[in-house]
Amino acid sequence: DVKVTQSSRYLVKRTGEKVFLECVQDMDHENMFWYRQDPGLGLRLIYFSYDVKMKEKGDIPEGYSVSREKKERFSLILESASTNQTSMYLCASRFPAGAYSNQPQHFGDGTRLSIL
Amino acid sequence: AQSVAQPEDQVNVAEGNPLTVKCTYSVSGNPYLFWYVQYPNRGLQFLLKYITGDNLVKGSYGFEAEFNKSQTSFHLKKPSALVSDSALYFCVVWDGGFKTIFGAGTRLFVKA
Repeated sequence: DVKVTQSSRYLVKRTGEKVFLECVQDMDHENMFWYRQDPGLGLRLIYFSYDVKMKEKGDIPEGYSVSREKKERFSLILESASTNQTSMYLCASRFPAGAYSNQPQHFGDGTRLSIL
Repeated sequence: AQSVAQPEDQVNVAEGNPLTVKCTYSVSGNPYLFWYVQYPNRGLQFLLKYITGDNLVKGSYGFEAEFNKSQTSFHLKKPSALVSDSALYFCVVWDGGFKTIFGAGTRLFVKA
């Protein structure tokens, strides 16, 4: 069974801090994603990565960066945390389009981040 | 513009009754369609998918979904609702490439 593990379920940080959210998957998936989920706004894509060291901006990349040094790990970085980044953050992974294109994204349990 | 619509913010049903959660989409080509469920403070959990083939797809926990190409709909159904089915449900459409579109979600409330 696919497992996507996010390092923290709950996190509290202060404005201006540099914040790291970590995500690890155990299925050798090439594609990995970071979303944030806010009431009334649904899921919004922040960044995604096709493969190691590759990244693409999603719909709301401002204030965030990512790192993919190893295939199994995808990190989301809040360069200087602000209160409007308080949210639920969800990581997901998937095989790419092609041979496994009928496979869904698999999600972690999320990190509820509060910026004070 | 490509979109996924879940027209109901909330669906209320009594336990034991059938339930339907609606989804329509506007995506070019032949997209892949998925339903996910989210319980409080958890991630999204895959329920079922439609790729090709039979228009009625069976998934986890007794859920099924009916694909209708002419109406571009993919409604989630269950013959007999349980209180434990109460959760947030997302319809998701993937174009098979780089674009995944999430519906806004429908909260299902099953009353005992």
